[in-house]
Amino acid sequence: DSGVTQTPKHLITATGQRVTLRCSPRSGDLSVYWYQQSLDQGLQFLIQYYNGEERAKGNILERFSAQQFPDLHSELNLSSLELGDSALYFCASSAEPDAQGAGYTFGSGTRLTVV
Amino acid sequence: GQNIDQPTEMTATEGAIVQINCTYQTSGFNGLFWYQQHAGEAPTFLSYNVLDGLEEKGRFSSFLSRSKGYSYLLLKELQMKDSASYLCAVSFPGFQKLVFGTGTRLLVSP
Repeated sequence: DSGVTQTPKHLITATGQRVTLRCSPRSGDLSVYWYQQSLDQGLQFLIQYYNGEERAKGNILERFSAQQFPDLHSELNLSSLELGDSALYFCASSAEPDAQGAGYTFGSGTRLTVV
Repeated sequence: GQNIDQPTEMTATEGAIVQINCTYQTSGFNGLFWYQQHAGEAPTFLSYNVLDGLEEKGRFSSFLSRSKGYSYLLLKELQMKDSASYLCAVSFPGFQKLVFGTGTRLLVSP
């Protein structure tokens, strides 16, 4: 157990629907990162929050949004889902805002299947 | 843009040594990470190189040449459980994200 908790582990939903993925960072970590991993693709950075504030944004679609709450857990909202959104979604956390040295600690991921 | 290249797949035999290469061309560079990822699981941190040279950690070693934009991960005394994907990732000064390569799938056979 890495200490980063993601729920749910699996999610199957239909096109056009909206889902929310949840992440609780490791105790003491203030930074949360969201990554998408599609089949045969590398981890694609979506967005980062640090202590409740958006810190960096990557290739996140406008249909996707995220937030980090006062208790530091984060949610990734995916709407108007398309077949191509099927992927593994990972959350990672780090103590410092730039994760140098120690890197991230990843959660076990949410596997999203859009049918 | 950011370009990080790794071989797609490699095979090796139990007990052998394998070297997984990673080349990068990025606008800015701070350090290079290696992660191990078993199929369907979370990536786990292996190593981090900031300065040129070799960092050794048990059976795993990682090398960095900043001037050549090149790194490798060396795995010795391969075990079946080392069958996994190995991801290299670049970090940048002032940026918070890691940019990952697509990973190298290593298959260790008996």
